[in-house]
Amino acid sequence: GAVVSQHPSRVICKSGTSVKIECRSLDFQATTMFWYRQFPKQSLMLMATSNEGSKATYEQGVEKDKFLINHASLTLSTLTVTSAHPEDSSFYICSARDHHEQYFGPGTRLTVT
Amino acid sequence: SQKIEQNSEALNIQEGKTATLTCNYTNYSPAYLQWYRQDPGRGPVFLLLIRENEKEKRKERLKVTFDTTLKQSLFHITASQPADSATYLCALAISGTYKYIFGTGTRLKVLA
Repeated sequence: GAVVSQHPSRVICKSGTSVKIECRSLDFQATTMFWYRQFPKQSLMLMATSNEGSKATYEQGVEKDKFLINHASLTLSTLTVTSAHPEDSSFYICSARDHHEQYFGPGTRLTVT
Repeated sequence: SQKIEQNSEALNIQEGKTATLTCNYTNYSPAYLQWYRQDPGRGPVFLLLIRENEKEKRKERLKVTFDTTLKQSLFHITASQPADSATYLCALAISGTYKYIFGTGTRLKVLA
């Protein structure tokens, strides 16, 4: 199956700093990627849809100025958590769409101290 | 409001038995439904996709059914093994979009 990578897998940052997470589709091109966050023992919550070459579409309640998404190429989307706070600590997962199927990255564990 | 429900309680079964997981939804008209497996600290792994006009789909020891009248999908693992222990998520594709809404997942534990 298709492979999606994320980097970094874990990151610890201080409150007030920004963190960038990369999502890459390794063996296919993805015009659409998605960003999710997942709290412990909860389901994946869609944050935004990332479209190559255009602005991301954010879900209701997600601050677009706080979670900056860039989809600069058909294989790379980035999520930047700006001015991170402890409540942003979570598991962030990206996925890339290949036809009707979504393939997920391994996730990034963000801890804000 | 739109809702997807999976049995939030853990499901424990004996090795070799068939595990059956349920996904119920309300107020959706999904074009298709997917099942994923998620291990702790990892991203979901795609297992099976079933379309609204399909009743059943199989892949090795896995079987998925989709009843759009009952608004329910069942996910079966036959001859279960301890390695099948994980959380299983169902996801509905919103018609007209490529967005997915996920259920809360059911944690399956297969006992040796």
